[in-house]
Amino acid sequence: QKEVEQDPGPLSVPEGAIVSLNCTYSNSAFQYFMWYRQYSRKGPELLMYTYSSGNKEDGRFTAQVDKSSKYISLFIRDSQPSDSATYLCAMSAYGQNFVFGPGTRLSVLP
Amino acid sequence: DTGVSQNPRHKITKRGQNVTFRCDPISEHNRLYWYRQTLGQGPEFLTYFQNEAQLEKSRLLSDRFSAERPKGSFSTLEIQRTEQGDSAMYLCASSLVGGNYGYTFGSGTRLTVV
Repeated sequence: QKEVEQDPGPLSVPEGAIVSLNCTYSNSAFQYFMWYRQYSRKGPELLMYTYSSGNKEDGRFTAQVDKSSKYISLFIRDSQPSDSATYLCAMSAYGQNFVFGPGTRLSVLP
Repeated sequence: DTGVSQNPRHKITKRGQNVTFRCDPISEHNRLYWYRQTLGQGPEFLTYFQNEAQLEKSRLLSDRFSAERPKGSFSTLEIQRTEQGDSAMYLCASSLVGGNYGYTFGSGTRLTVV
């Protein structure tokens, strides 16, 4: 079992839809969580950074962490074609060495 | 400040040659990280520095790989005797110590070993 699991997709949704992206993990010591967006042949771009459990909202993005279930989610509201990218989750026990999931490819269709 | 800068953007080298990549982090960031990413996978941690001290190295970082951050500013990653399996995107990131800050990644150096 990999330390961080993520459905690779591709996930296709119509413009304006609410998108739900998820990761599961096995290491109960993880307490720092990040979501990144990566366009093809570019470096990852930080979207959300959360610590411990709970929700965090930033514009159209909401990150949720459920440590009891070892499950994190990223919701994108009012999705746009420009949101089409690969979304990576990442997590760490101490905030330094982050373990990344393989990424979910998202396609938002106009 | 223009973010994290990596050079070169692309490198094609023959098997057995040595290559060196450079990373210039965001100037006020005291932590610097190197990751490697292959197609269809997430980035894998290689090593990180706090100022000039290399604090952690992954088991992925074989003895052919060496990283330095001599004055706590820019960093270099050298791969000696390159192998085809070294072909990947090498990503550099930087961050501040403490607080709820994530990494800022550069655009990466894409290495192709032929």
